[in-house]
Amino acid sequence: AQKITQTQPGMFVQEKEAVTLDCTYDTSDPSYGLFWYKQPSSGEMIFLIYQGSYDQQNATEGRYSLNFQKARKSANLVISASQLGDSAMYFCAMRVQGGSEKLVFGKGTKLTVNP
Amino acid sequence: NAGVMQNPRHLVRRRGQEARLRCSPMKGHSHVYWYRQLPEEGLKFMVYLQKENIIDESGMPKERFSAEFPKEGPSILRIQQVVRGDSAAYFCASSLDRVEREKLFFGSGTQLSVL
Repeated sequence: AQKITQTQPGMFVQEKEAVTLDCTYDTSDPSYGLFWYKQPSSGEMIFLIYQGSYDQQNATEGRYSLNFQKARKSANLVISASQLGDSAMYFCAMRVQGGSEKLVFGKGTKLTVNP
Repeated sequence: NAGVMQNPRHLVRRRGQEARLRCSPMKGHSHVYWYRQLPEEGLKFMVYLQKENIIDESGMPKERFSAEFPKEGPSILRIQQVVRGDSAAYFCASSLDRVEREKLFFGSGTQLSVL
């Protein structure tokens, strides 16, 4: 069975600094995708970044980058130059390719950016 | 292009009533997914539908819950005889097809409160 673990219930970072949110996953399937979503207090789920298991390079999207370490089964999200608007819940998720299309989510990390 | 539209945004029901949650996918999207988020938890997969077909309902409770995605109109998640434990945020997501798996877009969710 697939599982996502986010071990940091809450994280604090100073504005303009970088922060890493941890995510480890468990699957025996060779083909899978890893996602990060942001959920602000308003509740919507905002897609941030995607990494495929066969992608050779780490994914980047603006200030977001994914530190993908396949052997360690980790997919940490790095946010550079934090902004006050980055304060939100962040969820890591995984989807196994070729099977059910469902995403399996972690429990999330609450990020607070301090001025 | 309008995003995934869910309504109502908030729904209050008394125990024993029926709840109907609506989801209009993004234009041109024929794949719809429903997820449930309990307080302080990540999202949990419920059901995956294509037009007029249920593809995977492994996350749906066996009783009282049903989902449909008709040829015309929105996808509907129906909960009969609601109980307090059904109180949660219900999210709908849509994607274009199986090829672009990473392009999964979520709606803003429906917050169901059962009194």
